[in-house]
Amino acid sequence: DQQVKQNSPSLSVQEGRISILNCDYTNSMFDYFLWYKKYPAEGPTFLISISSIKDKNEDGRFTVFLNKSAKHLSLHIVPSQPGDSAVYFCAASSIGAQKLVFGQGTRLTINP
Amino acid sequence: EAQVTQNPRYLITVTGKKLTVTCSQNMNHEYMSWYRQDPGLGLRQIYYSMNVEVTDKGDVPEGYKVSRKEKRNFPLILESPSPNQTSLYFCASTTVGKGGAKEQYFGPGTRLTVT
Repeated sequence: DQQVKQNSPSLSVQEGRISILNCDYTNSMFDYFLWYKKYPAEGPTFLISISSIKDKNEDGRFTVFLNKSAKHLSLHIVPSQPGDSAVYFCAASSIGAQKLVFGQGTRLTINP
Repeated sequence: EAQVTQNPRYLITVTGKKLTVTCSQNMNHEYMSWYRQDPGLGLRQIYYSMNVEVTDKGDVPEGYKVSRKEKRNFPLILESPSPNQTSLYFCASTTVGKGGAKEQYFGPGTRLTVT
């Protein structure tokens, strides 16, 4: 039972345009959501997070939006740069649980 | 420099030959965990540890063991590896970040092939 789903295995975007990565979840107990970025031959690195009490969190070129009613979150990257090419994982956690539940990942390719 | 280290980074072994993947963190984190990454499945938790001598199963614990004798180290043990344990393994160390985020720091990964 996949509680966190990233339905797009891959996404290709032109440099300078907006990249939008999507994530859906099924567990209404999740109260915190995170995005991780992974380059080949490296471990995932934390990118940005959002609490369930908010609907938006922004950090430079990265913005995460949360729609609790739809159980959906998205990561916007504007403008996209070649160095953003990586696999992005969405993750979620619930109150009192240290565990993170990850999605399958989306491979983002930024084309020059 | 804050980091999580894993060894070895790459390992090819045969079915049934016991192996250990080491993990060490220098951030004094209490919580550590092991994940495996497989195509189309994302990262799945194998085992986790809330503190020294406190370990528990994650989502896919079958065929694995762990120990937590010291705070900084959390080795993953495969007593009798099988080909379905061929995967990319990540160790992670956790702090509670701003607003209660479960921000995890990951090691560089260990690619294991069992033939």
